[in-house]
Amino acid sequence: GAVVSQHPSRVICKSGTSVKIECRSLDFQATTMFWYRQFPKQSLMLMATSNEGSKATYEQGVEKDKFLINHASLTLSTLTVTSAHPEDSSFYICSARPGQGEGYTFGSGTRLTVV
Amino acid sequence: QQQVKQSPQSLIVQKGGIPIINCAYENTAFDYFPWYQQFPGKGPALLIAIRPDVSEKKEGRFTISFNKSAKQFSLHIMDSQPGDSATYFCAASNGGFQKLVFGTGTRLLVSP
Repeated sequence: GAVVSQHPSRVICKSGTSVKIECRSLDFQATTMFWYRQFPKQSLMLMATSNEGSKATYEQGVEKDKFLINHASLTLSTLTVTSAHPEDSSFYICSARPGQGEGYTFGSGTRLTVV
Repeated sequence: QQQVKQSPQSLIVQKGGIPIINCAYENTAFDYFPWYQQFPGKGPALLIAIRPDVSEKKEGRFTISFNKSAKQFSLHIMDSQPGDSATYFCAASNGGFQKLVFGTGTRLLVSP
């Protein structure tokens, strides 16, 4: 089946620094990828839709200058959390859909801890 | 209109029982309804999905029941096992590569 690979799985960074999370579609091309954020014991909240070769579409309330998304190729999307603060600590998950008739595949997630 | 309401929030069943999780939606443009299973510290994994042109779909021990007129769908887990203990999310989307809208999740515990 389709695989979405996400790295790193865990990252700890100091407050004020930036962190980059990668999301790769391993066996299919993804013109669209989705980035979610999940707080403990809560549901997945969509942050933004990443489109290959164009600007990402951010959900209401998500700071686009803080959460930079780059989708430079058909198999790679990156999320950069800039000037991270403790409140940005969360579980970040990416997703893509191999085809219109197929299910959405999720990465294994990245646990970000800002200290 | 974009919300998907999920219940119950948590559920405890004995091994062999049949937990049922329910979801309801408002947006009639939704045409894809998946269920995901998530273990702690992991990304969600697709269990089973249904489209509105069928009323029921079975895959292994998992069954989706879909009621288009009531705008509701549910997940049944037959012969539940302790390994099924996880958080389950329903979701919905409309067309092509549109975003998934998730329910609030149900934490299931299957006791031995």
